[in-house]
Amino acid sequence: AQSVTQLGSHVSVSEGALVLLRCNYSSSVPPYLFWYVQYPNQGLQLLLKYTSAATLVKGINGFEAEFKKSETSFHLTKPSAHMSDAAEYFCAVKDRGGNQFYFGTGTSLTVIP
Amino acid sequence: EAQVTQNPRYLITVTGKKLTVTCSQNMNHEYMSWYRQDPGLGLRQIYYSMNVEVTDKGDVPEGYKVSRKEKRNFPLILESPSPNQTSLYFCASSPRGPGNQPQHFGDGTRLSIL
Repeated sequence: AQSVTQLGSHVSVSEGALVLLRCNYSSSVPPYLFWYVQYPNQGLQLLLKYTSAATLVKGINGFEAEFKKSETSFHLTKPSAHMSDAAEYFCAVKDRGGNQFYFGTGTSLTVIP
Repeated sequence: EAQVTQNPRYLITVTGKKLTVTCSQNMNHEYMSWYRQDPGLGLRQIYYSMNVEVTDKGDVPEGYKVSRKEKRNFPLILESPSPNQTSLYFCASSPRGPGNQPQHFGDGTRLSIL
């Protein structure tokens, strides 16, 4: 079965600093890849998804993610953190031809003023 | 407004008392799914449905049942809840089943089983 690893359950950055949240998947065939954000007491919202059209994917709120097949990674970045970015972030994958979604354990982002 | 609606949002109940969490979507999506979210474990898929009358087990189906009699509804049934089912539950839907269609999530249901 597919597995998703998010290194770092908690990440703290200063306001204006670079945000880097890591995601690695386990399959040899690149799956469909997604990043979601969860604000307190809310459901998950899609930030971006990888569609294989380009390795660098731009999402909402200034986030982007780069797919690297050689590293089986799909790390999420944002050049300059804002206080409103404080939330929990989940990487999710689905095998091509499969029906199940697999989520990472999440990374809680804190932005320090 | 396109949405996935779960009810109730919060429920405290006792071991063994059957309960149902409802989920309804108004986007005509074929694929619907239930997840539980636990600290340190992320979201784990309980059951999913590709379409009406088609359901499959996810990673953690034990102790749960689902049904998909109508396209818009996908209730989660705990016939004999136990304390280890205390969790935050999410329903989600997406169009056209497999592929890179992202899921739309409800706001969650927090269940406490005493």
